[in-house]
Amino acid sequence: TQLLEQSPQFLSIQEGENLTVYCNSSSVFSSLQWYRQEPGEGPVLLVTVVTGGEVKKLKRLTFQFGDARKDSSLHITAAQPGDTGLYLCAGLYNFNKFYFGSGTKLNVKP
Amino acid sequence: GAGVSQSPSNKVTEKGKDVELRCDPISGHTALYWYRQRLGQGLEFLIYFQGNSAPDKSGLPSDRFSAERTGESVSTLTIQRTQQEDSAVYLCASSVGTFEQYFGPGTRLTVT
Repeated sequence: TQLLEQSPQFLSIQEGENLTVYCNSSSVFSSLQWYRQEPGEGPVLLVTVVTGGEVKKLKRLTFQFGDARKDSSLHITAAQPGDTGLYLCAGLYNFNKFYFGSGTKLNVKP
Repeated sequence: GAGVSQSPSNKVTEKGKDVELRCDPISGHTALYWYRQRLGQGLEFLIYFQGNSAPDKSGLPSDRFSAERTGESVSTLTIQRTQQEDSAVYLCASSVGTFEQYFGPGTRLTVT
């Protein structure tokens, strides 16, 4: 059973399009992180959100933490081929352990 | 400074053999995690070490899997009597408490 559900599982879009990836749970998390992973490498942290309703922007990426701290979204504006990768959300549960979502594999075609 | 390192980077083993995977965390990081990642999928939590506390082993899939950590340094993940379904990338991460996790490049295990 996956504590965090990510959708969509796969996404293939053209360069310049916008996209949103969702991370949902029935559990409340102390904080939530988004990672990006490229083939053959470990995940790299993009952002950590802590407060319910929090919105963080990182260049063309916008991250939002739900008011109830059960869900999060990642929005990419004007996607570029360099954004291609596996996007993973990870929730910190009980201030103790991280649970990862199943991942969204993004392919941005030039 | 050095990041998290893992060895070997690739391991091919025959079914039934034991394997040992090593993780060297970032110096000073009190927390260490092991995850398993099947091809193109998310990370499956295996085990978590935090300082001198008893490790959280709740994610280990069977008693063939075990892990040790010496103080706040190197950790080894051992898989006994490997099976084909153990084939995956095994990732190690370290962190200061429950903040950002820094991941190693992983060990790709193939059981033939």
